[in-house]
Amino acid sequence: QKEVEQDPGPLSVPEGAIVSLNCTYSNSAFQYFMWYRQYSRKGPELLMYTYSSGNKEDGRFTAQVDKSSKYISLFIRDSQPSDSATYLCAIPPPRNAGNNRKLIWGLGTSLAVNP
Amino acid sequence: KAGVTQTPRYLIKTRGQQVTLSCSPISGHRSVSWYQQTPGQGLQFLFEYFSETQRNKGNFPGRFSGRQFSNSRSEMNVSTLELGDSALYLCASSLGDRVIDEQFFGPGTRLTVL
Repeated sequence: QKEVEQDPGPLSVPEGAIVSLNCTYSNSAFQYFMWYRQYSRKGPELLMYTYSSGNKEDGRFTAQVDKSSKYISLFIRDSQPSDSATYLCAIPPPRNAGNNRKLIWGLGTSLAVNP
Repeated sequence: KAGVTQTPRYLIKTRGQQVTLSCSPISGHRSVSWYQQTPGQGLQFLFEYFSETQRNKGNFPGRFSGRQFSNSRSEMNVSTLELGDSALYLCASSLGDRVIDEQFFGPGTRLTVL
C-alpha cells in the first residue's frame, strides 16, 4: 500500500460547482498536511497547509483533515475556470522517520472547471 | 522577488547521451530539491542540497547526480540517458531545511529522450 493515495481523475465540473479533492494516507503518525496546485506548464505552488485535525479556510478553499479515517480533503466553493489545474497533496513524514525525511506526494488530481 | 528559474525549458536528447540541467533558486534560499514528474509516477524526489551538501537522496540510479554551488545555484546531471528518463524535471527551493518548509518550484525542464 502506498503511503499516500490520490485519485488522478480527471475531474470535470461546471463553473460554480463545489469541488472535493481527496487523499488517503496510511501512517497515523502524520501530523502536517499540504496542498499544492500546479497549473499547466508551471511548477506546483503551495495552496494551503493544515496541522493535525480539523478545518482550515482560505477564501473559497477549505482544507479538512480526518485523522480517524486517515483522510484529507480540499474543498473549492464556487469553482472558477481559473481553478483548472492539478492539485497535489503532500505530507511530511514524522520526526521519528530518521534523517531521510522528504515530502510524500500524492499523484495529483487533474481538475477542469468548465465555463 | 524573482522566482526559481530553470534552464533550459525544453531539451531533446538521444539514448546514451548525457544532459545537465540548471536551477537558480530564489535569492536567499539555501535549500534546493530536484524532482522528476511523469504522468504515471507523479512527483518523485531525486535529491536535496543545502549549503552545498547533499542532505537527502531518492531512489534513483547513480546515473542521476547533482551538485550545489556556493551561490546556492544547483545543477543535476543524467548520464547515459534512457527512454524512461523522459520527464519533467522540477527544481524547488526553500528558505530553510525543514521538511515542512514551503517549497517554491521552477517551471521545470521538459526532457525528451529519443
